[in-house]
Amino acid sequence: QKEVEQNSGPLSVPEGAIASLNCTYSDRGSQSFFWYRQYSGKSPELIMFIYSNGDKEDGRFTAQLNKASQYVSLLIRDSQPSDSATYLCGAGTYKYIFGTGTRLKVLA
Amino acid sequence: EAQVTQNPRYLITVTGKKLTVTCSQNMNHEYMSWYRQDPGLGLRQIYYSMNVEVTDKGDVPEGYKVSRKEKRNFPLILESPSPNQTSLYFCASRAKGDNEQFFGPGTRLTVL
Repeated sequence: QKEVEQNSGPLSVPEGAIASLNCTYSDRGSQSFFWYRQYSGKSPELIMFIYSNGDKEDGRFTAQLNKASQYVSLLIRDSQPSDSATYLCGAGTYKYIFGTGTRLKVLA
Repeated sequence: EAQVTQNPRYLITVTGKKLTVTCSQNMNHEYMSWYRQDPGLGLRQIYYSMNVEVTDKGDVPEGYKVSRKEKRNFPLILESPSPNQTSLYFCASRAKGDNEQFFGPGTRLTVL
């Protein structure tokens, strides 16, 4: 059974700090990985996708992929209360597997 | 406005009464997919379609059917709903070769 695992949290960080969200996956054949943000009662929205080893930066967000360790992470710099949401890690190209999500709370 | 729409948004039904949840997108996307989201289990893929008349099973297809007769529509059919299909359902679409899936607003289904 292919799996993506995340700590459910909540992860609490003070405003302005770096939030670090982590995810591991079991299928070594997975090629594409992504992070979606989901506010309470809303639909998921894509934050970042990554498919190459290393870091990928977009504004305050950095995704990191380590295929040898089967590990994906998302760093959020200068965290804001508006970043408080559930972050879903996932893998796939057509057939997608998501983790259960990590709830992030940014404290003002 | 580019969007994915789902209907109905809320539905309460009884065991065994066939129902269809519709999904439509106006972005000319080739790929469409259905998910269910349950507390503690996350978002799980039910079925997906890479184009018209091309569908395949996701992680949890049991008890569901889909069809893709037109590019814009991808209905989810529950022939004989059971209480364990009570869930929040999302439809999503994306363009071929793109990475971003656009999700619909969700349909909250309760099966009594």
